[in-house]
Amino acid sequence: SAVISQKPSRDICQRGTSLTIQCQVDSQVTMMFWYRQQPGQSLTLIATANQGSEATYESGFVIDKFPISRPNLTFSTLTVSNMSPEDSSIYLCSVTVSGGYGYTFGSGTRLTVV
Amino acid sequence: GQQLNQSPQSMFIQEGEDVSMNCTSSSIFNTWLWYKQDPGEGPVLLIALYKAGELTSNGRLTAQFGITRKDSFLNISASIPSDVGIYFCAVITSGTYKYIFGTGTRLKVLA
Repeated sequence: SAVISQKPSRDICQRGTSLTIQCQVDSQVTMMFWYRQQPGQSLTLIATANQGSEATYESGFVIDKFPISRPNLTFSTLTVSNMSPEDSSIYLCSVTVSGGYGYTFGSGTRLTVV
Repeated sequence: GQQLNQSPQSMFIQEGEDVSMNCTSSSIFNTWLWYKQDPGEGPVLLIALYKAGELTSNGRLTAQFGITRKDSFLNISASIPSDVGIYFCAVITSGTYKYIFGTGTRLKVLA
């Protein structure tokens, strides 16, 4: 299965600033996703990162708040913009390969906004 | 929206005991998966189920895909301290690769 490197692993940020999270995969993958896991909660899909085109966002998530890039088949970034304490969560990158159902997850970025 | 309900929400068990947890949905799904999340890590796939009624094992783990396609259970036999973590069920929404995750079962094992 694919190996994912996600950076940073954690950060403490001031409200009103932005943080960009990177997801690097060791092989080309079909699909890349970004999830949010709020404290003590389950995982919620933010968006599907599409290679070479705009990401597809889920209900409740917008591009201005969570801009996503995917310049190639092995790399994606998620930016959390104009942060507030409510954005404090774990953000997870996940990938799936062609014909496979099982997601592989990165170890996540634990974000605290103060 | 669609939701997967897991029970119990959390449990404390003694080392060596068997554990059972389940996951239910109001909708039918054709693929069910079980993940485990250790503290500070992303979820890791434990078992995938593709056929209603299917019973699948992975070491001490056994999972079943309910015959109605609206539920699944996960059993852990002879629990050990490293079984501690959060267990999530997940389903794949039809026609996509998007997952819906359950509410999670937090397991704590007492040595």
